[in-house]
Amino acid sequence: DGGITQSPKYLFRKEGQNVTLSCEQNLNHDAMYWYRQDPGQGLRLIYYSQIVNDFQKGDIAEGYSVSREKKESFPLTVTSAQKNPTAFYLCASSSTPGGAGELFFGEGSRLTVL
Amino acid sequence: QKEVEQDPGPLSVPEGAIVSLNCTYSNSAFQYFMWYRQYSRKGPELLMYTYSSGNKEDGRFTAQVDKSSKYISLFIRDSQPSDSATYLCAMTINQAGTALIFGKGTTLSVSS
Repeated sequence: DGGITQSPKYLFRKEGQNVTLSCEQNLNHDAMYWYRQDPGQGLRLIYYSQIVNDFQKGDIAEGYSVSREKKESFPLTVTSAQKNPTAFYLCASSSTPGGAGELFFGEGSRLTVL
Repeated sequence: QKEVEQDPGPLSVPEGAIVSLNCTYSNSAFQYFMWYRQYSRKGPELLMYTYSSGNKEDGRFTAQVDKSSKYISLFIRDSQPSDSATYLCAMTINQAGTALIFGKGTTLSVSS
């Protein structure tokens, strides 16, 4: 089955630790995205990549980093510099760079900082 | 002013009611408008997709875009308990280097 796989589904982290969230897609999509979702805040764009080895900052990139070494993979690292990292993180992909194509989302990763 | 405004609700209706969900936006360059549905603890999924102005109907769902007023709507007829979810509007200008902008989402509860 084609889709997006995010792991882990739940993650607990101590303050000061970096953590990496995995996102893999087998849809052969060029564009991939990371969003953060907080209660009452909707989806806010962290980073996006429209082609391998290239990515752009979204609205809330501070404290996060990404890489795009392979078309199917777009991991997100939440660094210790992120002041409020507890949130629901969603990865998405699209066949159409620029945002007009349908976004396919993973099931999300819920990060809790203890 | 935020680019996309959406009333977060919550909105509670009885089964069979007509539901109206709305978003306003400030960027007149937006041309592609979407509605996503998100069930609790799941990723969003595309519900409706509209290019430019006009109406689009799919079963019990109708999406409307009024570009002159910078206003989009989603109507749900004969609402069902299975429609209980968060509905997110999203839009884009679809240029290289851009991405979808989402509203905050409206949480809908349909009671039987």
